[in-house]
Amino acid sequence: EVQLVESGGGLVQPGGSLRLSCAASGFSFRTHWMHWVRQVPGKGLEWVSCINTDEDSTSYADSVKGRFTISRDNAKSTLYLQMNSLRAEDTAVYYCTRGLIAAVGIADYWGQGTLVTVSS
Amino acid sequence: QSALTQPASVTGSPGQSITIPCTGTSSDVGGYNFVSWYRQHPGKVPKLMLFEVSRRPSGVSNRLSGSKSGNTASLTISGLQAEDEADYYCTSYTSANTWLFGGGTKLTVL
Repeated sequence: EVQLVESGGGLVQPGGSLRLSCAASGFSFRTHWMHWVRQVPGKGLEWVSCINTDEDSTSYADSVKGRFTISRDNAKSTLYLQMNSLRAEDTAVYYCTRGLIAAVGIADYWGQGTLVTVSS
Repeated sequence: QSALTQPASVTGSPGQSITIPCTGTSSDVGGYNFVSWYRQHPGKVPKLMLFEVSRRPSGVSNRLSGSKSGNTASLTISGLQAEDEADYYCTSYTSANTWLFGGGTKLTVL
């Protein structure tokens, strides 16, 4: 069974940092692109970032570029999102998603999400 | 990067068909056949319903279909059922090597 379990969310002050993790199991992690998607409670979805299988290509939404860094450890089947210079507008549930294989798309499986709250 | 445009709400009756449009630009929806659709029930995680415009993942009902014309992709649900009531989001790959979501459409089945 495919499982994606996010952790690392919590309350942080504006300007602070957090590191999210996503532990993957039940599939060959190293063969899938991975993504982070966020959702303000009660609002819509926003794509945040993605990383390729070889860890040498990343992409970011303009809203987080220069502040967030995505990475992965294929040996540990874990995806990360380092979030720096956090702002109130970064408050959201952050989902880890598995990219499609043999097709193009950002998510055929989603984790349950971890809530990040940026507030003083 | 502006979000793709979806109507805020759509309403249909059981058994009817509805279509949800998703409008972008030639740099995203119009430029690639990489549009996906997600369904999200309240309090639940989104679920993939269509990818690459019209392909259905295993287990998704064939009452759902997708199409694209120019810069607008569309999700059609036929034979509406109560379980179809949910929020629907489109997403597209872009020429900037990023992804954009639509603002979401709340489907109400009356």
